[in-house]
Amino acid sequence: GNSVTQMEGPVTLSEEAFLTINCTYTATGYPSLFWYVQYPGEGLQLLLKATKADDKGSNKGFEATYRKETTSFHLEKGSVQVSDSAVYFCALKGNDYKLSFGAGTTVTVRA
Amino acid sequence: ETGVTQSPTHLIKTRGQQVTLRCSSQSGHNTVSWYQQALGQGPQFIFQYYREEENGRGNFPPRFSGLQFPNYSSELNVNALELDDSALYLCASSSGDRGRETQYFGPGTRLLVL
Repeated sequence: GNSVTQMEGPVTLSEEAFLTINCTYTATGYPSLFWYVQYPGEGLQLLLKATKADDKGSNKGFEATYRKETTSFHLEKGSVQVSDSAVYFCALKGNDYKLSFGAGTTVTVRA
Repeated sequence: ETGVTQSPTHLIKTRGQQVTLRCSSQSGHNTVSWYQQALGQGPQFIFQYYREEENGRGNFPPRFSGLQFPNYSSELNVNALELDDSALYLCASSSGDRGRETQYFGPGTRLLVL
């Protein structure tokens, strides 16, 4: 079945540092890939997505590229802010249209 | 703001009771999916409703059931509550054939079973 493995946290960074969260997946066919973010006490917000190989999703300074050859969708941001502190989830949607999520990575950015 | 709303926001029940959670989907969306997020974990797919019919189910027992109404809002019902049902319950709405398009999440209902 479909599955997502993402980098274990927690990750603690200083403001303006570079952030990478690794995500790899196992799926049949050609899934769509997503990053969702969850702020404390809230639901999930879509951060970015990519629907086919070599697509790059981007939003709010975050980027991720759909790499079919390495089955990866790593999240990056060049300069994080305190407001980026949250839990980040990598997810995939296959032919059955349900989302399969990774376990989440907690990111804390210190001023 | 996704336009997906859920009620109630918080709920406390005791073991063995039954609970109903509600979700109003975003305007124009005809598919609702429900997920369970235990503390410290990623969301797990419960089931999906497309045009009032169950369209797929995850690894959850039959005491988890649902409904979708003609206006595409939805309910999640859980019977015979167990302690392990304590979690954040998220609904997500989407459009297209069986939710082909991106899923947008509501704020969730936090259920505590004592």
